[in-house]
Amino acid sequence: EAGVTQFPSHSVIEKGQTVTLRCDPISGHDNLYWYRRVMGKEIKFLLHFVKESKQDESGMPNNRFLAERTGGTYSTLKVQPAELEDSGVYFCASSQGVRENSYNEQFFGPGTRLTVL
Amino acid sequence: QKEVEQNSGPLSVPEGAIASLNCTYSDRGSQSFFWYRQYSGKSPELIMFIYSNGDKEDGRFTAQLNKASQYVSLLIRDSQPSDSATYLCAVHPFSGGYNKLIFGAGTRLAVHP
Repeated sequence: EAGVTQFPSHSVIEKGQTVTLRCDPISGHDNLYWYRRVMGKEIKFLLHFVKESKQDESGMPNNRFLAERTGGTYSTLKVQPAELEDSGVYFCASSQGVRENSYNEQFFGPGTRLTVL
Repeated sequence: QKEVEQNSGPLSVPEGAIASLNCTYSDRGSQSFFWYRQYSGKSPELIMFIYSNGDKEDGRFTAQLNKASQYVSLLIRDSQPSDSATYLCAVHPFSGGYNKLIFGAGTRLAVHP
């Protein structure tokens, strides 16, 4: 079974440009999460989809970030316009349906390393 | 105060020794606790999770949870050079349900032959 995949693995763009990151979750996983790790800091939650709906977007830093999951399969995260502080590694994770009083393991993708110059 | 705190390390232990990794968290209502291992340039990989106070053992790994002290630890017995990685402590906060994870910055473990 394929794991979570992300594209591209690396992206180098200039400040003010637009970048779109893609995440393909594990097949059948309803839950999809985006996280980000900026240099020297901890991995931080950005948002959570259940199928195509945004369940929690409390971690999105500002309105330059737009996440979509049309059809409830793959997801994209667009940064427009990119700023220097957006540089970091963007991780996607997926899990099966959330059950009360239980835990569904989040499987992480390899990440996209974004560098904004 | 950070929500999840870990010593950044590096923690250096000889091969065959016990490695002890520690983590504290600030949200007293936190529900579940996780240890992820991340090799350099790779994705985080779940190795242990624990819900209840006490110890949970899985092979060479033991997770320990003390909710009163808001403290969770990971012991790695018979450490191997292949255990050298960054270990991330993560928590499901009370406010986050069973969804988002709050991570510590990670502790780098180096096991030397």
